[in-house]
Amino acid sequence: EAGVAQSPRYKIIEKRQSVAFWCNPISGHATLYWYQQILGQGPKLLIQFQNNGVVDDSQLPKDRFSAERLKGVDSTLKIQPAKLEDSAVYLCASSPSGGATGYTFGSGTRLTVV
Amino acid sequence: AQSVAQPEDQVNVAEGNPLTVKCTYSVSGNPYLFWYVQYPNRGLQFLLKYITGDNLVKGSYGFEAEFNKSQTSFHLKKPSALVSDSALYFCAVRENTNAGKSTFGDGTTLTVKP
Repeated sequence: EAGVAQSPRYKIIEKRQSVAFWCNPISGHATLYWYQQILGQGPKLLIQFQNNGVVDDSQLPKDRFSAERLKGVDSTLKIQPAKLEDSAVYLCASSPSGGATGYTFGSGTRLTVV
Repeated sequence: AQSVAQPEDQVNVAEGNPLTVKCTYSVSGNPYLFWYVQYPNRGLQFLLKYITGDNLVKGSYGFEAEFNKSQTSFHLKKPSALVSDSALYFCAVRENTNAGKSTFGDGTTLTVKP
């Protein structure tokens, strides 16, 4: 079974620039999550999709972050404009429908904003 | 709101000795509890989960965890540590709903010395 694919692996941008991350979940997984992991902290949920609908985006900074999951499969997360404090690893995870399963995480995208 | 506490930033043990990584949680209702491991430059990997039933659950790589409802704890354990167990460990709690989101602790770095 293929894992969760994310790209790019690394990205360095200047503040106020824009950036986009891509995620392809495990085939058949209805639920997709984007987490932000700042160095020294645990992952923090940004947005959760169930198929192509948003379930929870309460911690997404909507003035600069946006995400979509077209056709209930791939997802993109965008930051525009980026701030220095956005430097983090952005993790995508997926799981089947239902709450009793662990997540499968991708390798993440390490973003550095300079 | 749900939360997870991992009181130790760092745990050091000698190879062959038992290890314990501590986790306490707060959530409404009955929790789903998870442990994940993160190796350097890798995404998080699911280790084990508690959903219901036996309070002692077994997972990958010889790890197990004990659920204690009265103490709201879910400590990770292994009878005999290996150097290769050295990694960053995250505890997570999830709402007992179909679309529940997971909240992660800030992680504990486990170092096993030969």
